[in-house]
Amino acid sequence: ETGVTQTPRHLVMGMTNKKSLKCEQHLGHNAMYWYKQSAKKPLELMFVYNFKEQTENNSVPSRFSPECPNSSHLFLHLHTLQPEDSALYLCASSLDGGAGGTGELFFGEGSRLTVL
Amino acid sequence: SQQGEEDPQALSIQEGENATMNCSYKTSINNLQWYRQNSGRGLVHLILIRSNEREKHSGRLRVTLDTSKKSSSLLITASRAADTASYFCATVDTGRRALTFGSGTRLQVQP
Repeated sequence: ETGVTQTPRHLVMGMTNKKSLKCEQHLGHNAMYWYKQSAKKPLELMFVYNFKEQTENNSVPSRFSPECPNSSHLFLHLHTLQPEDSALYLCASSLDGGAGGTGELFFGEGSRLTVL
Repeated sequence: SQQGEEDPQALSIQEGENATMNCSYKTSINNLQWYRQNSGRGLVHLILIRSNEREKHSGRLRVTLDTSKKSSSLLITASRAADTASYFCATVDTGRRALTFGSGTRLQVQP
């Protein structure tokens, strides 16, 4: 138990569906992240939020829409996805996402997404 | 863009042997971290080494950092079957706010 909870753990959706991934951290951290992990590729940073403000969008297609209503919750809204978007989506948090350097990340168990 | 490159991509050893994984990176960093991932699970932080440190130990783990060569190594001593996992290095580039991960080394420890 890392203190970061992701739901759902598994999701299957069609290309025209709208769904959301949820992440919640109970660690009192100020920074939250979405990473994408595809087979045989390195983890790809998608979004960074620091004190609820988006500080990084790593050229992610607009069919992925993040939302961070407070420092403890992070969502990834999914709309009109493609089969190549099938992957493990990992949420993480850290105490501080400041430019001075990021310390240890705490990861959730991930949401396995399959797009049909 | 990918920062860290781990070497080897896969490693198979017997229980009790030592496992060494290497990581190279390209830019100036604030720190370098190593993570472990069991199949299909989230990543777990193992150890962090700052850019002004050269070596760090934690239990059976030993990490070295050579900033002149832009490389790091992770040594797991007296390996166990439970060490079977993928291991990733990750760097915090100077001025950035997030970790960039390498592609990982898959370690298989045979009982």
